[in-house]
Amino acid sequence: DADVTQTPRNRITKTGKRIMLECSQTKGHDRMYWYRQDPGLGLRLIYYSFDVKDINKGEISDGYSVSRQAQAKFSLSLESAIPNQTALYFCATSDPGQGGYTFGSGTRLTVV
Amino acid sequence: AQSVTQPDIHITVSEGASLELRCNYSYGATPYLFWYVQSPGQGLQLLLKYFSGDTLVQGIKGFEAEFKRSQSSFNLRKPSVHWSDAAEYFCAVGAVNTGFQKLVFGTGTRLLVSP
Repeated sequence: DADVTQTPRNRITKTGKRIMLECSQTKGHDRMYWYRQDPGLGLRLIYYSFDVKDINKGEISDGYSVSRQAQAKFSLSLESAIPNQTALYFCATSDPGQGGYTFGSGTRLTVV
Repeated sequence: AQSVTQPDIHITVSEGASLELRCNYSYGATPYLFWYVQSPGQGLQLLLKYFSGDTLVQGIKGFEAEFKRSQSSFNLRKPSVHWSDAAEYFCAVGAVNTGFQKLVFGTGTRLLVSP
């Protein structure tokens, strides 16, 4: 099984719908992140969490919310999806002692 | 705040030729630097990282990178490219004084490998 699992892998939704992207990890890391990838823009940080009670906004948090249900689970929600939220979304975890991130395989979201 | 610039959007290299992907960073203190690779339809995989010490860092898949503080650069190199290296490559910088709470990524360089 993958260290970081994202579901769904692909999703098409309509404008105005609420959608949740889920992430679970088996690394035992406290730190989890949600990034968004757009062509030509690289990865941009949406939200991050250093433990269950610690949630922080990233650089592009407007229109998104998150929930850290447990150390291993970190969900991203779009309360009312809009077309410019069409993107590839990545969840990641990190170990402060190691520095690098472990990424999930991504969720490709299309808002029509 | 830290930032990363990858000046090349696309690079095409012949199979067997050498490769250098450029990365320049902006950060006021000692950075942590990373290179990731993203194959089509996949997540990002860590190739190598620099924290301190030897400025020439070896990574997986035959890649290496050199940290040059005077040039604020961390360029990725490979002496002989294979067709399987075709992917998108991301450079990232983390802040040492915050325990690299969050990484800042460049916009990526897409590598194409010609036969």
